[in-house]
Amino acid sequence: AQTVTQSQPEMSVQEAETVTLSCTYDTSESNYYLFWYKQPPSRQMILVIRQEAYKQQNATENRFSVNFQKAAKSFSLKISDSQLGDTAMYFCAFMGRGTSYGKLTFGQGTILTVHP
Amino acid sequence: GAVVSQHPSRVICKSGTSVKIECRSLDFQATTMFWYRQFPKKSLMLMATSNEGSKATYEQGVEKDKFLINHASLTLSTLTVTSAHPEDSSFYICSAATGNTIYFGEGSWLTVV
Repeated sequence: AQTVTQSQPEMSVQEAETVTLSCTYDTSESNYYLFWYKQPPSRQMILVIRQEAYKQQNATENRFSVNFQKAAKSFSLKISDSQLGDTAMYFCAFMGRGTSYGKLTFGQGTILTVHP
Repeated sequence: GAVVSQHPSRVICKSGTSVKIECRSLDFQATTMFWYRQFPKKSLMLMATSNEGSKATYEQGVEKDKFLINHASLTLSTLTVTSAHPEDSSFYICSAATGNTIYFGEGSWLTVV
């Protein structure tokens, strides 16, 4: 079974600055997906970024980028030029391929607060 | 894009009664859907995998007789909380995957009084 660990329960950052959220995982699978989801107070799950394990290049989406270290099983999220709207709970998640496709294992979550 | 719709968004029921939550994939067929439960400021915990035309697969510790899951069609999965108690009050959210993307419903707040 896989596990996902987010060791930062809460983080805060000033508007326009950069913040990095940490995530580590454990799995015996060699091919899988990793995700970062944002959950604002509305509880809607919003996909921030996705990384396919077989791709060495780190995924980026505008102000969001990841540092994917497969050997270390680390998958951190960097948010640049933080905005007030980035305030939310962030979840790191793992999904295997094959029979477990679609099933997500989530980390504990990190509450991010962006201060003006 | 693909959409997953969940209904109702909020429901209040009396202790001892049953309540049904629906999860629909609106523009794609989903042979598998997933049900998660989330407590305030906590993570999403997978409850069960809903399989179209067959029995659901429940995670360890989830009472299958309390949380009945039915997936009678390729676009609809239902979660019925039977004999609800106040400790069943929580946020329930479903998801389905198509292509390489996972889509979540809007979630349902259940309050048992």
